[in-house]
Amino acid sequence: GDSVTQMEGPVTLSEEAFLTINCTYTATGYPSLFWYVQYPGEGLQLLLKATKADDKGSNKGFEATYRKETTSFHLEKGSVQVSDSAVYFCALRSTNAGKSTFGDGTTLTVKP
Amino acid sequence: DTAVSQTPKYLVTQMGNDKSIKCEQNLGHDTMYWYKQDSKKFLKIMFSYNNKELIINETVPNRFSPKSPDKAHLNLHINSLELGDSAVYFCASSQDNRGGNYGYTFGSGTRLTVV
Repeated sequence: GDSVTQMEGPVTLSEEAFLTINCTYTATGYPSLFWYVQYPGEGLQLLLKATKADDKGSNKGFEATYRKETTSFHLEKGSVQVSDSAVYFCALRSTNAGKSTFGDGTTLTVKP
Repeated sequence: DTAVSQTPKYLVTQMGNDKSIKCEQNLGHDTMYWYKQDSKKFLKIMFSYNNKELIINETVPNRFSPKSPDKAHLNLHINSLELGDSAVYFCASSQDNRGGNYGYTFGSGTRLTVV
């Protein structure tokens, strides 16, 4: 079955540091890949997505590239801010799948 | 105008009680979901409906019963609440349950505390 493995947290960075959160997946076929962000006390929000190999999703300075050969979709940001402190979830959705499969989430804390 | 709205936002109740959580989406999406998020932030799918039809029913105690009166609404009723039911429950919707391209839109969650 489908599965998503995320880098374990928590991750603590200083403001303006470079961020990478690793995500690898197992799926049948060619899934779409997503990153969601959950700010404290809120629901998850779709941050970015990629629907085919070599696509790059980007939003709010975050990027992730769909790498079929390594089955990865790592999240990166060049310079994090305190306001980026949140829980980040990697997810996949296979064609004809009734649901998305989520990773366990990675908590990011950015200190001033 | 909130896309996916859940009520109530907080729910504190005693063991053994019965409670309901309501969810409504105004996005015109075909599919709606209930997820449970535990204290470690792990997300677990509970149910999914597509155009009022139940399509996913994961291993969930029979005390949990979803109901979808129309494709814009998905409610969750819980009987005989237990301490272990304490969690945050999220409603979500998506445009198409067959195509893999669409992400979810989540509600803001209902924090259920059973005492």
